[in-house]
Amino acid sequence: GNSVTQMEGPVTLSEEAFLTINCTYTATGYPSLFWYVQYPGEGLQLLLKATKADDKGSNKGFEATYRKETTSFHLEKGSVQVSDSAVYFCALSYSNYQLIWGAGTKLIIKP
Amino acid sequence: SQTIHQWPATLVQPVGSPLSLECTVEGTSNPNLYWYRQAAGRGLQLLFYSVGIGQISSEVPQNLSASRPQDRQFILSSKKLLLSDSGFYLCAWSAMDRGYEQYFGPGTRLTVT
Repeated sequence: GNSVTQMEGPVTLSEEAFLTINCTYTATGYPSLFWYVQYPGEGLQLLLKATKADDKGSNKGFEATYRKETTSFHLEKGSVQVSDSAVYFCALSYSNYQLIWGAGTKLIIKP
Repeated sequence: SQTIHQWPATLVQPVGSPLSLECTVEGTSNPNLYWYRQAAGRGLQLLFYSVGIGQISSEVPQNLSASRPQDRQFILSSKKLLLSDSGFYLCAWSAMDRGYEQYFGPGTRLTVT
């Protein structure tokens, strides 16, 4: 079946460090892939997406590339800030109606 | 532009009391609508989704129900709350002309005491 696996958190980094949050998926067909971010006490916000293989989604300094050969969609940022502290969710499109969600990865950035 | 509203923002209710959470979407027609629950420190659990007025699909058998009385209104209800119903409830919408992504409301923090 379809599934999304994210690296377990929390991930703790110092400010200006390089960030990678791993996401791998299992899916039939060619799903779209998404990263969402949830700041404390808030709803989720779409961070970036990719709709086909080799597409790169980017937003606010974050990037992720849709790798079909490795079934991955890892989230990266070159230099994190304290304000990036949040929970990050990877997801794939399951149908016209549903997304399959990863468990979420909590990111803590220390000044 | 599209906006999504949820209320109330926080709610404290005793065990056995009823529940009604409301979600409305503006700026789009015939959206797909979703209710999720997020337990403390956990991921998202899809509770219900709706593709049209009066059309509700339940993902998890539970103490809750959902209704869609109008195109852009989605209501989550319970007749008698349980302690295990505590959590963060999120409403979301999606639309065919916006791809598959879902857009979330600010959430309702429910504490059952």
